[in-house]
Amino acid sequence: DTAVSQTPKYLVTQMGNDKSIKCEQNLGHDTMYWYKQDSKKFLKIMFSYNNKELIINETVPNRFSPKSPDKAHLNLHINSLELGDSAVYFCASSSGTSGMGEQYFGPGTRLTVT
Amino acid sequence: AQTVTQSQPEMSVQEAETVTLSCTYDTSESDYYLFWYKQPPSRQMILVIRQEAYKQQNATENRFSVNFQKAAKSFSLKISDSQLGDAAMYFCALTGGLGLTFGKGTHLIIQP
Repeated sequence: DTAVSQTPKYLVTQMGNDKSIKCEQNLGHDTMYWYKQDSKKFLKIMFSYNNKELIINETVPNRFSPKSPDKAHLNLHINSLELGDSAVYFCASSSGTSGMGEQYFGPGTRLTVT
Repeated sequence: AQTVTQSQPEMSVQEAETVTLSCTYDTSESDYYLFWYKQPPSRQMILVIRQEAYKQQNATENRFSVNFQKAAKSFSLKISDSQLGDAAMYFCALTGGLGLTFGKGTHLIIQP
């Protein structure tokens, strides 16, 4: 049973398009996250979200927006895609709302913008 | 701001030998957790080991153990009896208010 799942695993699109990546966790966790891994493998937090609070990394362009229809889902919407958005995007989740627990990661979505 | 530094971009070890990956960090928090994650070529992020800062005892998980030096803000990972399946990128990570802060990773190569 997959704990954290993401769809799609691969996404190829053109500059200027709008796309979404879906994330679901079946662990009953309270907090979900989005990370970006660049071409040099560096992982950087983009958002953390629980049912009370959305925390946004100030370096993330406002073209990126998380949407949470319910506690088990946190989707990532990206508007007006740019070449520099090409990366692997990981969804993750953890229990509690303190941010102290280990995080469980999805398989990642490789986004390629042409 | 929190920082995590992994000073070894790449390490190589013979199969069955022991290797130690280094990590130093900086945080103003008194309560925090540290992790080592493994990322094989499949790109899945796999938790290897965790350490609570308030615990003095070093964490151990089978062949994996850490040397946690809180005062020095050091958190190294020791892999004993290295196996071919250990080949991967290894990331050190620190909890924070927003999410995990990761180091840049160490690429571990296992020589058969």
